[in-house]
Amino acid sequence: ETGVTQTPRHLVMGMTNKKSLKCEQHLGHNAMYWYKQSAKKPLELMFVYNFKEQTENNSVPSRFSPECPNSSHLFLHLHTLQPEDSALYLCASSLPFGQGNSPLHFGNGTRLTVT
Amino acid sequence: TQLLEQSPQFLSIQEGENLTVYCNSSSVFSSLQWYRQEPGEGPVLLVTVVTGGEVKKLKRLTFQFGDARKDSSLHITAAQPGDTGLYLCAGVETSGSRLTFGEGTQLTVNP
Repeated sequence: ETGVTQTPRHLVMGMTNKKSLKCEQHLGHNAMYWYKQSAKKPLELMFVYNFKEQTENNSVPSRFSPECPNSSHLFLHLHTLQPEDSALYLCASSLPFGQGNSPLHFGNGTRLTVT
Repeated sequence: TQLLEQSPQFLSIQEGENLTVYCNSSSVFSSLQWYRQEPGEGPVLLVTVVTGGEVKKLKRLTFQFGDARKDSSLHITAAQPGDTGLYLCAGVETSGSRLTFGEGTQLTVNP
């Protein structure tokens, strides 16, 4: 049990589909993150929410749309994706963003394949 | 954005061998975190080093933060197959907000 749960674990979608990734944390954290993990590349920060407010959008294309209805839940809405968007999408949570050394607690990710 | 380079990218060794993984930057970080990611799972924090020159031990794993807080190393003694995984270093930038990850070192320990 990681404390951060992501669903679904695997997702295959066509380029014209619309789907959503879900993340839920039970750690009482106030910051939540979306990261993209591709082979042979560092983890790429996509979005940060701090106390439900988006504090960072790391130049992510508009075909990725985040939503944070409360401090425990985070969604990533996907539409008209490209094959190069295939990757492992990781959600993480932590103490409030900007508190220096607070580590990230990651979920087990959603393996996304765009066909 | 401050960059972190990890080496080697891939390492395959036999059970019982020792190894060292390096994490280097030209920039100063306020602290550095090491994570391990096993197949099908997300990264899990192993340790945070904060002070220049700091050494922390976690069983057979020894972590060191460089004196200038620009680099770090992870040394594993007598590696076990259970040590297999992707080792990630991540530096907290001196601004205190952004966490920068290295590319990772994929370690395979063969029985």
